[in-house]
Amino acid sequence: GDSVTQMEGPVTLSEEAFLTINCTYTATGYPSLFWYVQYPGEGLQLLLKATKADDKGSNKGFEATYRKETTSFHLEKGSVQVSDSAVYFCALAYTGRRALTFGSGTRLQVQP
Amino acid sequence: KAGVTQTPRYLIKTRGQQVTLSCSPISGHRSVSWYQQTPGQGLQFLFEYFSETQRNKGNFPGRFSGRQFSNSRSEMNVSTLELGDSALYLCASSPDVTSTDTQYFGPGTRLTVL
Repeated sequence: GDSVTQMEGPVTLSEEAFLTINCTYTATGYPSLFWYVQYPGEGLQLLLKATKADDKGSNKGFEATYRKETTSFHLEKGSVQVSDSAVYFCALAYTGRRALTFGSGTRLQVQP
Repeated sequence: KAGVTQTPRYLIKTRGQQVTLSCSPISGHRSVSWYQQTPGQGLQFLFEYFSETQRNKGNFPGRFSGRQFSNSRSEMNVSTLELGDSALYLCASSPDVTSTDTQYFGPGTRLTVL
């Protein structure tokens, strides 16, 4: 079956540091890939997505590239802010199906 | 446009009881999905509804059920509650199911089973 593996957290960074959160996936087909973010006490928000190999999703300074050869979708940001502190989830889903398969989540803590 | 709303936000029940959670999607959205979030199992897909029909169901026992109404509002029901059902239940809506539309999540209902 399909699965998503994320790096263990928490990830603790100082403000303005470079962020990478690793995500790899196992899929039987050709899914779309997503990064969702969950702030404390809130639901999930879509951060970015990529629907096919070599696509790059980007939003709010975050980027991730769909790498089919390495089955990866790593999240990066050049300069994190305290307000980026949250839990980040990598996920996959197939076109026409709503069922998202999520990774375990990575908690990011950014210190001033 | 109002976001996805879920009611109630918090719920406390005892083992053996049943519970009904409600989700109102964004206006115009016809697809509703439900997820369970627990510290141990993470986020798991429960089921998906579109035009009052269940399209997919996750790997959960039959105690978990749901339905969707003609106005796209959805409810999920858990019967004979167990301690392990304590979780944050998230609802997500999207316009339709023909593409990889963004799913918009509600704030969730936190269920505690004592």
